[in-house]
Amino acid sequence: ETGVTQTPRHLVMGMTNKKSLKCEQHLGHNAMYWYKQSAKKPLELMFVYSLEERVENNSVPSRFSPECPNSSHLFLHLHTLQPEDSALYLCASSPGNSYEQYFGPGTRLTVT
Amino acid sequence: QKEVEQDPGPLSVPEGAIVSLNCTYSNSAFQYFMWYRQYSRKGPELLMYTYSSGNKEDGRFTAQVDKSSKYISLFIRDSQPSDSATYLCAMTPYSGAGSYQLTFGKGTKLSVIP
Repeated sequence: ETGVTQTPRHLVMGMTNKKSLKCEQHLGHNAMYWYKQSAKKPLELMFVYSLEERVENNSVPSRFSPECPNSSHLFLHLHTLQPEDSALYLCASSPGNSYEQYFGPGTRLTVT
Repeated sequence: QKEVEQDPGPLSVPEGAIVSLNCTYSNSAFQYFMWYRQYSRKGPELLMYTYSSGNKEDGRFTAQVDKSSKYISLFIRDSQPSDSATYLCAMTPYSGAGSYQLTFGKGTKLSVIP
């Protein structure tokens, strides 16, 4: 079991709903990430939070809103999503900004 | 042209076979290369890391980088059913604090048949 947990593991939501994904890391890391993993596409980095910086991928729509209240917790707030947003959303953490990232199991999101 | 190309498979081999997984890339600035392994219903986990050209061995796994050809490989010797997973290559031009900026391949799904 990794030190990164994500809840819920599965989520089905309508296009008008508002929901949030939660990530928690127990590794003492100080950088956290949100990724989107779609079928037949490479992992896409959405957001980065660290002591050094907050980074947003400019291609991510504003219907995705991250929140990082402290170095152990990360949220992804979702509203008015589209069916093409259906994907596996992965959270990761690392000791400082680094390629050495530890991933959670992901939240499988289905937008109907 | 995509930055990183990786054959998605699926690749099916018998137990004990040598497996070769590959990625090609177009950005000559990439200097640091990784392989992540992702089991079904799990997140990716870092398997191997190499810098620049050359080979790196870790048990049954060997990572190889040929920067002149813009080609990286992961070899698995004596493959086991427990190696069945999706293997993702990743790379970055940056070291240190910038190295989180990874470009991933799509992943190759491997099945090792007992």
